[in-house]
Amino acid sequence: SQTIHQWPATLVQPVGSPLSLECTVEGTSNPNLYWYRQAAGRGLQLLFYSVGIGQISSEVPQNLSASRPQDRQFILSSKKLLLSDSGFYLCAWSSEVRNQPQHFGDGTRLSIL
Amino acid sequence: SQQGEEDPQALSIQEGENATMNCSYKTSINNLQWYRQNSGRGLVHLILIRSNEREKHSGRLRVTLDTSKKSSSLLITASRAADTASYFCACGSSNTGKLIFGQGTTLQVKP
Repeated sequence: SQTIHQWPATLVQPVGSPLSLECTVEGTSNPNLYWYRQAAGRGLQLLFYSVGIGQISSEVPQNLSASRPQDRQFILSSKKLLLSDSGFYLCAWSSEVRNQPQHFGDGTRLSIL
Repeated sequence: SQQGEEDPQALSIQEGENATMNCSYKTSINNLQWYRQNSGRGLVHLILIRSNEREKHSGRLRVTLDTSKKSSSLLITASRAADTASYFCACGSSNTGKLIFGQGTTLQVKP
């Protein structure tokens, strides 16, 4: 069966520090991968999605970047965090067919001080 | 905006009652999906209804879709305290191929 792992679960970082959040998927190949941010009590904002190794699409201009160095690995990064980067970050995968159900990790709660 | 919009934003009911949540959207869709999120956790896919379907059932869940009104509803029958969570609709856009999530309905089921 397929599983998705996302870590860390919580992270407290100072303003201006770098960021690296990692997400890995097991049990499937060539998945579509997604990074979302969720503000408190709000819906999900799609940040990046990837349909293959090295293929990244950015949805909104921001202080973050994403990379996909391996088929089932998706990394969210920042060189210098801003206060506005605080939030709940969720990684998800779906099959490569359009509009299929997405399967989510348990998220990372990021607090910027 | 293409986003799904849920109504109500919050709903509080007693155990055993039915809970109905509504979702409206603006874009052209291939399907519409409902997800559940427990506090501080990731989303879990509940049910998918295709644009050519009008109603779908899964256990205590019933989803309807009216493409002429661009709306969907999720009914949870005989609710339990364990159903307490946030529920999100997500539109599978036929234009972009992506899912567009609504803002969610927070459901509280009191024992």
